[in-house]
Amino acid sequence: DQQVKQNSPSLSVQEGRISILNCDYTNSMFDYFLWYKKYPAEGPTFLISISSIKDKNEDGRFTVFLNKSAKHLSLHIVPSQPGDSAVYFCAASAGNQGGKLIFGQGTELSVKP
Amino acid sequence: DTEVTQTPKHLVMGMTNKKSLKCEQHMGHRAMYWYKQKAKKPPELMFVYSYEKLSINESVPSRFSPECPNSSLLNLHLHALQPEDSALYLCASSQAGAYNEQFFGPGTRLTVL
Repeated sequence: DQQVKQNSPSLSVQEGRISILNCDYTNSMFDYFLWYKKYPAEGPTFLISISSIKDKNEDGRFTVFLNKSAKHLSLHIVPSQPGDSAVYFCAASAGNQGGKLIFGQGTELSVKP
Repeated sequence: DTEVTQTPKHLVMGMTNKKSLKCEQHMGHRAMYWYKQKAKKPPELMFVYSYEKLSINESVPSRFSPECPNSSLLNLHLHALQPEDSALYLCASSQAGAYNEQFFGPGTRLTVL
């Protein structure tokens, strides 16, 4: 049973436009969500996080939105840059699970010049 | 120092070999993690150490044996592995407790022949 789902395996966006990556979860105990970016042959790099007491968190070009009622979160990248091309993983955890992260399947973002 | 380092970068071993993966961080983090990532799949948690004690074992086969000698070091001892254990092994660290982002190392690419 996949508790964190990223239904789009890939996304292609023009440079300068907005990239929107989506993530859905099923476990209502999740209360902390993170986005990671991964280049081939490297470990995931932390981008941004949000706790369930917020519905939005912003850091530079990256904004994460959380809709708890829909069990849905999204990552917005504005403006998109070619260097943003990577695989993006959504991850979730529950406060009582000792830091255990459950990852989605990932979305491969391609930003074209 | 905001880096998690892992050695070796690549490892090829036979099914009868014994080898070890090493992970080191100097960020003062008291939680450390081992993940396994197969191609085109998300990272999957294997073990969590909190304050140098094993706190989570995700039902990992005993041919994988973790060790945390001190707060900066994490080892994964490998013995009698199977070809299906070939994967990218990722180490991560974080502040102990919930709601903390995990910082990943670059991983060790393991091939079992």
